[in-house]
Amino acid sequence: GAGVSQSPSNKVTEKGKDVELRCDPISGHTALYWYRQRLGQGLEFLIYFQGNSAPDKSGLPSDRFSAERTGESVSTLTIQRTQQEDSAVYLCASSSRPGAFSGNTIYFGEGSWLTVV
Amino acid sequence: KQEVTQIPAALSVPEGENLVLNCSFTDSAIYNLQWFRQDPGKGLTSLLLIQSSQREQTSGRLNASLDKSSGRSTLYIAASQPGDSATYLCAVRHGFGNEKLTFGTGTRLTIIP
Repeated sequence: GAGVSQSPSNKVTEKGKDVELRCDPISGHTALYWYRQRLGQGLEFLIYFQGNSAPDKSGLPSDRFSAERTGESVSTLTIQRTQQEDSAVYLCASSSRPGAFSGNTIYFGEGSWLTVV
Repeated sequence: KQEVTQIPAALSVPEGENLVLNCSFTDSAIYNLQWFRQDPGKGLTSLLLIQSSQREQTSGRLNASLDKSSGRSTLYIAASQPGDSATYLCAVRHGFGNEKLTFGTGTRLTIIP
């Protein structure tokens, strides 16, 4: 597609349920990021994938959070046993390989808005 | 640990004025710096990217500068318009091989018609 695509765009879930959020990066982009933004707050880094290298998981807030990516394609962020503090918009972004002529601009999706009730 | 700060947190200016948004970072060993805008309820839109070797980038009414040694970047908006109202975020990319972006806290800009 032309841009980074995320689904669902909105999700309301009950506390304790598991949720899966999906990200389709721009075709050809090897780098993929997940960020979280709580209402009125800044962006928190969650996880970064670069090609087939081991992901940088240093931002995942707890073991309830996990993410997968197969090769250079779709990524899924999973939150298990959701809590009310997980309510936020989850933003996915992608960029080309570092050093590429394109300058490595990072492109964001519209986000998945998660509300835990 | 890299920390990115944006001042002011909020800014209101009359339409037509020129304005400057500030971004500072504590670790000057960056790969590049990018400015984004975020509209309410939306994702982020990339505005300008400055590589660590560059001093400035321009796109239309926007001009971004980078002084890596002092850990500062500015975003200059000329002849502001109501459509420029948004939150502006700067983000630094840490380096080749360390691709994490650290975002600033943002400046919420309101252009008064």
